[in-house]
Amino acid sequence: KQEVTQIPAALSVPEGENLVLNCSFTDSAIYNLQWFRQDPGKGLTSLLLIQSSQREQTSGRLNASLDKSSGRSTLYIAASQPGDSATYLCAVRFHSGGYQKVTFGIGTKLQVIP
Amino acid sequence: ETGVTQTPRHLVMGMTNKKSLKCEQHLGHNAMYWYKQSAKKPLELMFVYSLEERVENNSVPSRFSPECPNSSHLFLHLHTLQPEDSALYLCASSQGYEGAAEAFFGQGTRLTVV
Repeated sequence: KQEVTQIPAALSVPEGENLVLNCSFTDSAIYNLQWFRQDPGKGLTSLLLIQSSQREQTSGRLNASLDKSSGRSTLYIAASQPGDSATYLCAVRFHSGGYQKVTFGIGTKLQVIP
Repeated sequence: ETGVTQTPRHLVMGMTNKKSLKCEQHLGHNAMYWYKQSAKKPLELMFVYSLEERVENNSVPSRFSPECPNSSHLFLHLHTLQPEDSALYLCASSQGYEGAAEAFFGQGTRLTVV
């Protein structure tokens, strides 16, 4: 079964800290992995997309890594700010019997305390 | 207007009502998606349209009926819903349905069934 797990479910850090969010998946046969941010009651904002052939992607203070063999991705946030407070979702596009299947994790709810 | 727009943002409906959710994308994409997000659950993919043809229907009850009249519009017609259908319904679009497609999401419609 192709599953995506995000740990921890919630995280609270003081402003300025560097932090790492984790995403693990059960099947290494993937097309890509995408990190999203979701503010309460809102839609998803795409942060970073990593193709299966890539090891990492960077955008500003965000860096996402991908290790297919171990089924893991991390989202690194440098110098966290209160505006980073949101739920961060990981989505994996799996190969699935000749088709594709996008599976989301349940998310990590991040709170950055001023 | 750019991006993916969903209307209405909030909807309250009785179990005997018929209503429709609308999604419009201004990104020139050719694939559109409906997702359901319930509290404390991962996003669930409901329907996928690629080039205006339905390519996925993930065991969704028939009280949900999608319609894709053209590549930039997607509807979700609702009738005789149940209280457990209350959730955030998210629309997304991408250029292409396979491989490297990066998904962009709307802000969602918060649906409450009473």
